[in-house]
Amino acid sequence: DQQVKQNSPSLSVQEGRISILNCDYTNSMFDYFLWYKKYPAEGPTFLISISSIKDKNEDGRFTVFLNKSAKHLSLHIVPSQPGDSAVYFCAASIIQGAQKLVFGQGTRLTINP
Amino acid sequence: DADVTQTPRNRITKTGKRIMLECSQTKGHDRMYWYRQDPGLGLRLIYYSFDVKDINKGEISDGYSVSRQAQAKFSLSLESAIPNQTALYFCATSDLGTDTQYFGPGTRLTVL
Repeated sequence: DQQVKQNSPSLSVQEGRISILNCDYTNSMFDYFLWYKKYPAEGPTFLISISSIKDKNEDGRFTVFLNKSAKHLSLHIVPSQPGDSAVYFCAASIIQGAQKLVFGQGTRLTINP
Repeated sequence: DADVTQTPRNRITKTGKRIMLECSQTKGHDRMYWYRQDPGLGLRLIYYSFDVKDINKGEISDGYSVSRQAQAKFSLSLESAIPNQTALYFCATSDLGTDTQYFGPGTRLTVL
């Protein structure tokens, strides 16, 4: 049973526009969420996170939004750049600091010039 | 220098062979993890260790074993490899009290 779902395997966006990556979860016990970015032949790298006590967290061009009632989070990248082309994974944990993460399937983002 | 290293980076083996994947870290973290990535399934946790004397099964531990030789070293073994263990394997570490995990570059394993 996939507790964290990224229903879009791929997304294509024009350079300079907004990229929106979505993630849904089923376990209401999740209270901390992270986004990771992965380039080919490299391991995932941490991008941004959000606690369930917040509904938004921003870091430069990256903003994560959390809608707890809908069990949905999204990652916004504005403006999108060619270097943003990668696979993005969302992840969730039960109890912040428990350090066991459940990952989604990933979304491949392609930024077109 | 990479903080989390994995060896080998690529490995092709045959069904029934024993194989070990190794992970080393210089981050000084107590917590280490092994994941596998399959297309369409994301990253799934195989085993994790919160310190040298602590080993825990993850979501998909059947067919795998691990050894935590030191704080900095965590190895994953496939006692008798089978083709559906063909995947990309990642090691990760984290510091006490945080959820952020730091990943190695991965090992691409093919079992024929």
